[in-house]
Amino acid sequence: QVQLQESGPGLVKPSQTLSLTCTVSGGSMSSSGYYWSWIRQPAGKGLEWIGRIYISGNTNYNPSLKSRVTISVDTSKNQFSLKLSSVTAADTAVYYCARDDMVRGAIVAFDIWGQGTMVTVSS
Amino acid sequence: DIQMTQSPSSLSASVGDRVTITCRASQTISGYLSWYQQKPGKAPKLLIYAASSLQSGVPSRFSGSGSGTDFSLTISRLQPEDFATYYCQQSYGTPTFGQGTKVEIK
Repeated sequence: QVQLQESGPGLVKPSQTLSLTCTVSGGSMSSSGYYWSWIRQPAGKGLEWIGRIYISGNTNYNPSLKSRVTISVDTSKNQFSLKLSSVTAADTAVYYCARDDMVRGAIVAFDIWGQGTMVTVSS
Repeated sequence: DIQMTQSPSSLSASVGDRVTITCRASQTISGYLSWYQQKPGKAPKLLIYAASSLQSGVPSRFSGSGSGTDFSLTISRLQPEDFATYYCQQSYGTPTFGQGTKVEIK
């Protein structure tokens, strides 16, 4: 049973870089052939997709965040990571990592989610 | 971006009721539509993918339909554990979610 777990600082200062890691357990990222995503949710609000990465390192980012986002993967550690630069209070949210489910080669949904980690941007 | 609009934003219903939530895309998304359930303090849970395919382990009282721009999620007989917020999400373009529909106890 594949499980995801986010980790990283819960407090980041404005203008600094938010860094989070998602650890995948119960299966190998290298042999899975899945895409892996980051999604966030401000308190009391809806969900926003941040971006995704494939095990090859190929990435796709939300155009609204693209200039500030970097997603990387370390298959030796079965982890993928998020970096969001120049953060402001608007980046305060619960950050989730998730697995992209695929049907006949097309990404159709996010089928497995981490529990989420709260990140607050404040001085 | 493809905008996803859910209706209603909230609804009150009783255990045993049939509940339908709709989701409209700002442009055609074929069948690339999924539905999630989220309870307070928890991650979203996938219910339906590809508009009408039931995710493994999800009760059969949940069903999805639609294609193109108009979709719906139906709960045939509402159970106490179904009171939650529901989101639709398109994966045709850059993934986007609806604003959510909160299902509350009447």
